[in-house]
Amino acid sequence: AQSVAQPEDQVNVAEGNPLTVKCTYSVSGNPYLFWYVQYPNRGLQFLLKYITGDNLVKGSYGFEAEFNKSQTSFHLKKPSALVSDSALYFCAVRDRRSGGSYIPTFGRGTSLIVHP
Amino acid sequence: DGGITQSPKYLFRKEGQNVTLSCEQNLNHDAMYWYRQDPGQGLRLIYYSQIVNDFQKGDIAEGYSVSREKKESFPLTVTSAQKNPTAFYLCASAPQSSDNEQFFGPGTRLTVL
Repeated sequence: AQSVAQPEDQVNVAEGNPLTVKCTYSVSGNPYLFWYVQYPNRGLQFLLKYITGDNLVKGSYGFEAEFNKSQTSFHLKKPSALVSDSALYFCAVRDRRSGGSYIPTFGRGTSLIVHP
Repeated sequence: DGGITQSPKYLFRKEGQNVTLSCEQNLNHDAMYWYRQDPGQGLRLIYYSQIVNDFQKGDIAEGYSVSREKKESFPLTVTSAQKNPTAFYLCASAPQSSDNEQFFGPGTRLTVL
């Protein structure tokens, strides 16, 4: 089975500083990777995805992610953090289930706290 | 939260009662999903459906049931057999293609009293 790991439960960063939220993956074959954000008591919102092509993927709200095949990583980044970026961030990988369906498998989530 | 609605937003249930959570989408998506979210555990897949009148068990299906009689609707029933049902429940949908992202509803918070 495919899986992702988010090694940090929480990331703290000062407003205006760059931020990184880490994700590593374990897959057989080519990975399909996703990042989502969740604000308190809300559903998840899609930020960006990597399917193929450029290793640097740009997404919503100024976020980007870098796919690194040698390090099996897909870290989420933003050059300058905002207080409003404070939320829970989930990395996900497409996983093939018995029966042939492809279903995302999610990491445990990383809480990002941006301090004023 | 896109074109997916979940109701109610908050739900309280007494032990031993079944309860049904609603999920409706107007995105014309073929696939729909139910997840359970508990603090520190991420999202765990309960059931999914790739097409009308068909659905599959996810990783934690015990104590839950679903139906998919219409493309737009994928209700989840939490039965009395579910030992620890208090959680935040999220419904999602996606186009059939496997490289597409999911669209999530706003969630239902279920509390068992």
